[in-house]
Amino acid sequence: DSGVTQTPKHLITATGQRVTLRCSPRSGDLSVYWYQQSLDQGLQFLIQYYNGEERAKGNILERFSAQQFPDLHSELNLSSLELGDSALYFCASSVTAGSRSYEQYFGPGTRLTVT
Amino acid sequence: GDSVTQMEGPVTLSEEAFLTINCTYTATGYPSLFWYVQYPGEGLQLLLKATKADDKGSNKGFEATYRKETTSFHLEKGSVQVSDSAVYFCALSAGLRNTPLVFGKGTRLSVIA
Repeated sequence: DSGVTQTPKHLITATGQRVTLRCSPRSGDLSVYWYQQSLDQGLQFLIQYYNGEERAKGNILERFSAQQFPDLHSELNLSSLELGDSALYFCASSVTAGSRSYEQYFGPGTRLTVT
Repeated sequence: GDSVTQMEGPVTLSEEAFLTINCTYTATGYPSLFWYVQYPGEGLQLLLKATKADDKGSNKGFEATYRKETTSFHLEKGSVQVSDSAVYFCALSAGLRNTPLVFGKGTRLSVIA
């Protein structure tokens, strides 16, 4: 168990809809990353937050947005969903204050199916 | 931009066989290198890492050496077990800490008894 939790585990929704994926980082970790895993694109970085602020952006579509809250949990919002958005979405956390460790620890993922 | 190339799978081995999964990278600066493993139905787990040239990462019988001259980080294990069946991902992060990972496409390993 990595200590990173993600909800829900599975999500089935229709095209055009909007969903919210939630991530709770390991206790004390300040940085949260979102990754998308799909069969054709592999594992791709979407966006990173550090202590509530956006830190880096990857291949994130404009229809997608994220935020990190004061309690450090993060949410990834996906809107106007398309069939191609079906994928496994992972959250990872790293950087505990006062620690020199920076490895990323991954949650179990949310499997999104768009029908 | 930075990228990671790893050997295509799937790889099928008999139990106790020797495993090598090749990984090469392209990066500016001095990246940190990682191997992650994904067991069926689970998230990614960090298997091992190396942060500078000639470092050897090791864990659970797996090893990989950071070779700057060949820009490689090949994963090896001397004797695989059925329980090693999983997808293995090579990844890098830029030289600065706390940066996103760039992954290879993954290599599926199946070990048969």
